[in-house]
Amino acid sequence: KQEVTQIPAALSVPEGENLVLNCSFTDSAIYNLQWFRQDPGKGLTSLLLIQSSQREQTSGRLNASLDKSSGRSTLYIAASQPGDSATYLCAVRERGSGTYKYIFGTGTRLKVLA
Amino acid sequence: EPEVTQTPSHQVTQMGQEVILRCVPISNHLYFYWYRQILGQKVEFLVSFYNNEISEKSEIFDDQFSVERPDGSNFTLKIRSTKLEDSAMYFCASSQTDVPYNEQFFGPGTRLTVL
Repeated sequence: KQEVTQIPAALSVPEGENLVLNCSFTDSAIYNLQWFRQDPGKGLTSLLLIQSSQREQTSGRLNASLDKSSGRSTLYIAASQPGDSATYLCAVRERGSGTYKYIFGTGTRLKVLA
Repeated sequence: EPEVTQTPSHQVTQMGQEVILRCVPISNHLYFYWYRQILGQKVEFLVSFYNNEISEKSEIFDDQFSVERPDGSNFTLKIRSTKLEDSAMYFCASSQTDVPYNEQFFGPGTRLTVL
């Protein structure tokens, strides 16, 4: 059974710092991996989607990498800002018994201090 | 830009009552999903739906739950007799196809509180 784990569970950094969030998964038979942002009590905002054949994706200050064979992904945030404070979720897409579904990680709660 | 919408944003109900959570998927999407997130826990897959049939359901999706596409635009999740442990955020998602490289687009969620 696929397990997705994110480390650290919580992170507090000063504004301007570059940071790395980690995501690991136990079964490498995934089709893609997606990073989401979730603000408290709110929905899921898609940040980056990496297909299994890709190594990385970039959007603005965000860069996500994928090493499928080792079961790892990282989300790199450059020059962090207080507005980046949120919970970051990674999710892997795998084939279930009838559909391609997401398995979500535990999340990293990020706080960027002004 | 097209988006998935959900109503209501917050639903409060008494234990044992029936609730219906509504979703309007993106118009040309054919595959629909429900996920839930209990406060402080992971987002979990509940069910997927295509061509008026359930494609897959998780062990969470027991006989108390049902899904329906009552018309050409809405996709609903019904909980027949709510329990305290059904309190959670429920997310609807849709995708154009169910091929693995297609993204699922998530709605803003409905927060369900069972008293």
